[in-house]
Amino acid sequence: NAGVTQTPKFRVLKTGQSMTLLCAQDMNHEYMYWYRQDPGMGLRLIHYSVGEGTTAKGEVPDGYNVSRLKKQNFLLGLESAAPSQTSVYFCASSYSRGTLEAFFGQGTRLTVV
Amino acid sequence: GQQVMQIPQYQHVQEGEDFTTYCNSSTTLSNIQWYKQRPGGHPVFLIQLVKSGEVKKQKRLTFQFGEAKKNSSLHITATQTTDVGTYFCAADGGKLIFGQGTELSVKP
Repeated sequence: NAGVTQTPKFRVLKTGQSMTLLCAQDMNHEYMYWYRQDPGMGLRLIHYSVGEGTTAKGEVPDGYNVSRLKKQNFLLGLESAAPSQTSVYFCASSYSRGTLEAFFGQGTRLTVV
Repeated sequence: GQQVMQIPQYQHVQEGEDFTTYCNSSTTLSNIQWYKQRPGGHPVFLIQLVKSGEVKKQKRLTFQFGEAKKNSSLHITATQTTDVGTYFCAADGGKLIFGQGTELSVKP
């Protein structure tokens, strides 16, 4: 099993450019999450999804959009990248609320210049 | 919204010393999870606590969930260099919210 796969692993964007981060899981999980990690800030939830076709805002949703058209995929979009979006992005998935463990992808390191 | 506060932010210990990180919430939690992230890695699940007053052990790690289900702690006995990393608590209330994490460094 691949688990949770994020693509790309690294990316450099210019301010104003757009991009999409892809998260794919092969565990038939219902819940998927996107987090950003910045030094001293822990993991902050951007958006999440509780099932195919659903999305919801997390703690820091501004500047990001998401889509969950297929159960196994969760896409994170940046329409107009800003330097403040320089971060490491993690995707995670879990079966459902209150059940054991979220599985994380390896992360995407994004730099916006 | 749901918030989880974690302290301390950093902890530097000598190998063999004990280590504790604390997690606090202003609201009652249905459950709490703990994760470890090694430097340069991704968070990895350690354990989930569900019951009031629950205590679970994994070798040198002891996890506690408060009686009021508003706080939790992770205690490591006799730290080793392999314990280095950042430890996070996470509250699962429909959306998985993480604390700020405690970064542990261990001096040999």
